[in-house]
Amino acid sequence: KQEVTQIPAALSVPEGENLVLNCSFTDSAIYNLQWFRQDPGKGLTSLLLIQSSQREQTSGRLNASLDKSSGRSTLYIAASQPGDSATYLCAVDRGTYKYIFGTGTRLKVLA
Amino acid sequence: SAVISQKPSRDICQRGTSLTIQCQVDSQVTMMFWYRQQPGQSLTLIATANQGSEATYESGFVIDKFPISRPNLTFSTLTVSNMSPEDSSIYLCSVGTGGEYEQYFGPGTRLTVT
Repeated sequence: KQEVTQIPAALSVPEGENLVLNCSFTDSAIYNLQWFRQDPGKGLTSLLLIQSSQREQTSGRLNASLDKSSGRSTLYIAASQPGDSATYLCAVDRGTYKYIFGTGTRLKVLA
Repeated sequence: SAVISQKPSRDICQRGTSLTIQCQVDSQVTMMFWYRQQPGQSLTLIATANQGSEATYESGFVIDKFPISRPNLTFSTLTVSNMSPEDSSIYLCSVGTGGEYEQYFGPGTRLTVT
């Protein structure tokens, strides 16, 4: 049974810091890994999708990497801003659209 | 991509009643899903809403409790039946589209059962 874990569970950093969020999964037979952002009381916003054949994806200040063999992904946020404060979720899929979500990292960026 | 709307955005309901949540997509999609996010928890898939056939439920979820309709390729409803306080959650609709199995989510419906 696939399990997805995210470390740390919560993180508080001063504005401007570069930071790394970690995601690990127990079954390496995945098709996709997707990173989402969730703002309090709101739905999810897709940030980056990495297919199993890819090693990383970049969008603006965000970079996500995938090491499928070791069951790990990282989300790197450069020059963090208060507007980045949110919960970040990673999720994996076997190519069925049925995503299994991680436990989330609550990020707070202090001005 | 897809733009998804949900109604209602939030509701407070009494124990024993039922609530129907609507999900509308701005384009035709094959795959629609319903997720639940309990307080302080991550998302759990409830079911896949299949157009023209019965929904496919994940382990731990049953049709009598969470009946789902999918009358066409842009719309679905999820009913939470005979509610108890344990049903207090955010319910999210999502769609899968494109060749890369990317998912897009609606804004969610925050349900509180008293």
